[in-house]
Amino acid sequence: DADVTQTPRNRITKTGKRIMLECSQTKGHDRMYWYRQDPGLGLRLIYYSFDVKDINKGEISDGYSVSRQAQAKFSLSLESAIPNQTALYFCATSDLGEAFFGQGTRLTVV
Amino acid sequence: KQEVTQIPAALSVPEGENLVLNCSFTDSAIYNLQWFRQDPGKGLTSLLLIQSSQREQTSGRLNASLDKSSGRSTLYIAASQPGDSATYLCAVVPRGTASKLTFGTGTRLQVTL
Repeated sequence: DADVTQTPRNRITKTGKRIMLECSQTKGHDRMYWYRQDPGLGLRLIYYSFDVKDINKGEISDGYSVSRQAQAKFSLSLESAIPNQTALYFCATSDLGEAFFGQGTRLTVV
Repeated sequence: KQEVTQIPAALSVPEGENLVLNCSFTDSAIYNLQWFRQDPGKGLTSLLLIQSSQREQTSGRLNASLDKSSGRSTLYIAASQPGDSATYLCAVVPRGTASKLTFGTGTRLQVTL
């Protein structure tokens, strides 16, 4: 099994719909992150969490929310999707050392 | 604010060549630096992690160096192969930022037959 698993892998949704991206990890790490990747812009941090009671905004959190259901689970929600949220989304986990990434969720908002 | 730059943005080399990918960062106060590989539309695979106290790390044909004082890291790939074709990303964890990675925009490498 992968260290970090994201579901779904691909999703097409309509403008205005609510969508949730899920992430689970088997590394036993406390720290989890959500990034988005856009062509030419690199990866940018959306939200991060140190534990189930500690949620923090990243540099581009507007339009997103997160939930840390357990140490191993961290989900990202788009309350009302818009086309410029079309991107590749990555979940990651780390323990102050090496970071481990999921395979990504390709989200298209039409 | 930490900024990470990778040059060149794209590189094409014939199979068998040794090559160097460059990464520079503006603030030397980093916790560590990590190199990743990304295949098109896929996730990030960690290649090498260099802690701030280290000068280099090696894994197989890959060698990464770190010079904090000059804000530079290089990824050396020996005897390149077509299977090395991918985008290579450099990321730093600035000190005091809770392990948040700051990424460069990557170097897209193509190794031709």
